[in-house]
Amino acid sequence: QVQLQQSGPGLVKPSETLSLTCTVSGGSISTSSYYWGWIRQPPGKGLEWIGTIFYSGTTFYNPSLKSRVTMSVDTSKNEFSLRLSSVTAPDTAVYYCARAPGPWGEESLDYWGQGTLVTVSS
Amino acid sequence: QSVLTQPPSVSGAPGQRVTISCTGSSSNIGAGYDVHWYQQLPGTAPKLLIYDNSNRPSGVPDRFSGSKSGTSASLAITGLQAEDEADYYCQSYDSSLGAGVFGGGTKLTVL
Repeated sequence: QVQLQQSGPGLVKPSETLSLTCTVSGGSISTSSYYWGWIRQPPGKGLEWIGTIFYSGTTFYNPSLKSRVTMSVDTSKNEFSLRLSSVTAPDTAVYYCARAPGPWGEESLDYWGQGTLVTVSS
Repeated sequence: QSVLTQPPSVSGAPGQRVTISCTGSSSNIGAGYDVHWYQQLPGTAPKLLIYDNSNRPSGVPDRFSGSKSGTSASLAITGLQAEDEADYYCQSYDSSLGAGVFGGGTKLTVL
């Protein structure tokens, strides 16, 4: 059974960079069958697809966030990461990592992390 | 304003049938992209309920079913149970935006 475990700070100051990591267990991240993604949900609001990364390091970002998003993968640790730069209050959200069969948000997300509430505040 | 439009809320009594609509456009659902549905219980991560319009992952009861037609999709829940009270989200892909998109979510209340 695949499990995704998220880690990272819950509080980030305005203009700084948000950093989160998702560790995959119960399966290898180095599979050609899946991509690894990030989704966020502002408090009381709906979901927003941020992007995905393949184990090779190839990335696919939501154009609306592309200028501020960087994703990376560490196959030796079976984990992938999200960095979102120059954060402001609207970036306050629960951030989820997830697994998807495809890269562009077209495919379903079958396994999810537990979510991390990240608050942007000084 | 979400690209995919869902009713903010629906309700039904135990045992009844409810449907949740997801309305898109010619650049997403109408373009032939698949629709997926998620159930989100309070304080938890979304759970995949229906994938590729009408398929249920292993473990999802057959009380849940999905369909798609034209620029819209629907999730139907029959034999409503108290445990079905949750938020439900649809997801597809939008070629104009070049990204995956979600509906705004529908809160299901079991009366």
